[in-house]
Amino acid sequence: ILNVEQSPQSLHVQEGDSTNFTCSFPSSNFYALHWYRWETAKSPEALFVMTLNGDEKKKGRISATLNTKEGYSYLYIKGSQPEDSATYLCAFKRGSTLLALSRLYFGRGTQLTVWP
Amino acid sequence: DVKVTQSSRYLVKRTGEKVFLECVQDMDHENMFWYRQDPGLGLRLIYFSYDVKMKEKGDIPEGYSVSREKKERFSLILESASTNQTSMYLCASSLWGNGYTFGSGTRLTVV
Repeated sequence: ILNVEQSPQSLHVQEGDSTNFTCSFPSSNFYALHWYRWETAKSPEALFVMTLNGDEKKKGRISATLNTKEGYSYLYIKGSQPEDSATYLCAFKRGSTLLALSRLYFGRGTQLTVWP
Repeated sequence: DVKVTQSSRYLVKRTGEKVFLECVQDMDHENMFWYRQDPGLGLRLIYFSYDVKMKEKGDIPEGYSVSREKKERFSLILESASTNQTSMYLCASSLWGNGYTFGSGTRLTVV
């Protein structure tokens, strides 16, 4: 089983704080790194798909960076709001075979709570 | 709006029952997946399918089987439900190399 690690496991911040979390993954056979946001009682939703070393993606106040050589990605949230409260999942996709391309390996997630 | 639909949101079954969880997608995706999510363990892959009638074991296939007779439908079968299969089950679909679209989940309780 391929190891994808996320830290911290949970985070509690005040409204307006900026925050970031880490995803680490194997640096060999890299194809893509995905970030998902999962709110309670809803389905996980895709935030970013990142494929190139040095990639930076942004969506509103949320951004992500990727380092495939050392095997990590950071997710940043600027000026956190209560509606950002969710579990943030990262997932790694290998590119070694066509079959490998079909599945993602998920980390356990970082649970973010933003207090008003 | 593209969709992955899971037939039940909540399900309560008895130990030993045969349980079917159904998932349907309307996006013509080749790949479909079944995950379970348990506190502290994240999403764990049970089975996936990359084409009609094709299936691959994931990381925790024991006690489960799957069926994909049509491209849009992927069924998860618990042959004889046990209490340790109480969990949230998530279905997802994707095109090759792309991200997932998830269903809203089925919370299964086995008593």
